Amino acid sequence: EIVLTQSPGTLSLSPGERATLSCRASQSVSSNYLAWYQQKPGQAPRLLIYGASSRATGIPDRFSGSGSGTDFTVTISRLEPEDFAVYYCQHYGSSRWTFGQGTKVEFK
Amino acid sequence: EVQLVQSGAEVKKPGESLKISCKGSGYSFSNYWIGWVRQMPGKGLEWMGIIYPGDSDTRYSPSFQGQVTISADKSISTAYLQWSNLKASDTAMYYCARRPGGYYYDDWGQGTLVTVSS
Repeated sequence: EIVLTQSPGTLSLSPGERATLSCRASQSVSSNYLAWYQQKPGQAPRLLIYGASSRATGIPDRFSGSGSGTDFTVTISRLEPEDFAVYYCQHYGSSRWTFGQGTKVEFK
Repeated sequence: EVQLVQSGAEVKKPGESLKISCKGSGYSFSNYWIGWVRQMPGKGLEWMGIIYPGDSDTRYSPSFQGQVTISADKSISTAYLQWSNLKASDTAMYYCARRPGGYYYDDWGQGTLVTVSS
């Protein structure tokens, strides 16, 4: 079973700063099977990135995804107040999906 | 507009049974997989399983196999998650989500909070 490890656990930043969130897989995975979600308190998750680098409908272009093999990243170029949330990576493999444990982006 | 509307919050006692629902609209419900995701209080997301309403093909996470049952009634565009013997550890928010064809979930229900307490 592939395990996804996200880092850091918490990222303390200010609006306008750049955020870089990491997701590392325990073994090499296909980029097609890697997605990212944003979750704000009291809300359902929202799809951000699929196929490792494709933005979902309505996602601003300050969000970008990259990576391959075992290392994947989502970057928020300039943090807006509404971007402070928890971010999860997700992988599909062997007829099942797994999530990373999440990275919380909080106000510094 | 795609919408997934879940049933309301539930408070149950250990040992009781429960069935929660997820009604889809704005798309052809039969032709898209619906997944279920658990989020325990203050914790992350856990994938539970998925169903294809068109033929009820169902897959479960090994962690949830035998613990829950996923079903669907395509005639009323509704998917279900059910328990026959609730435990306090089943206390969580449960989300349904649509798989559009790729390996991700693009639309999510609002969540159903299940509280199991004696």
